[in-house]
Amino acid sequence: RKEVEQDPGPFNVPEGATVAFNCTYSNSASQSFFWYRQDCRKEPKLLMSVYSSGNEDGRFTAQLNRASQYISLLIRDSKLSDSATYLCVVNLGRKNYGGATNKLIFGTGTLLAVQP
Amino acid sequence: ETGVTQTPRHLVMGMTNKKSLKCEQHLGHNAMYWYKQSAKKPLELMFVYSLEERVENNSVPSRFSPECPNSSHLFLHLHTLQPEDSALYLCASSREDGREQYFGPGTRLTVT
Repeated sequence: RKEVEQDPGPFNVPEGATVAFNCTYSNSASQSFFWYRQDCRKEPKLLMSVYSSGNEDGRFTAQLNRASQYISLLIRDSKLSDSATYLCVVNLGRKNYGGATNKLIFGTGTLLAVQP
Repeated sequence: ETGVTQTPRHLVMGMTNKKSLKCEQHLGHNAMYWYKQSAKKPLELMFVYSLEERVENNSVPSRFSPECPNSSHLFLHLHTLQPEDSALYLCASSREDGREQYFGPGTRLTVT
């Protein structure tokens, strides 16, 4: 089983649509969670952290279900500029793998294409 | 944004060449990372330096050799690479806890 699993997509949606991405992770001891965004041929950029209580940043809402080891990202009123690959990222935490720093595990990403 | 810079942005090299990738961070971080990103694969962590000391080496072949002379600079020395090493090489930096990492634009490497 992959450490972080995402539907690769692509998700093709019209402008203004609501779209949801899901992600599952295998290590129940994972400590923190993030969504990164990566534009075509660019570097990943932190989009938002994901908290157990759920959190919202404008049109973006992230949810975490620790019991199911499941993370989601909801984008409302999608814009053309939202077209990108969305990476689900899990932090193992230094104690869980014996390292000196936290270790981020990346999913392969979900490709979103917003159509005019 | 110029928080993390990488040079060169593109590199084509033969299998017998020696080259180096450079990364510089201007964020005051004290941990730096090298990742490899190949098509259809997740980012693979290659090396981690924390406070200039290498703390993680994910069984990367010895043809890749990292160097971290100070907390702002990171190099990846390349020699006798293979075509399957062609990929996007990303540098990242973070505070020591490594939770939020900031990436450079990457070097797109092609090995011929």
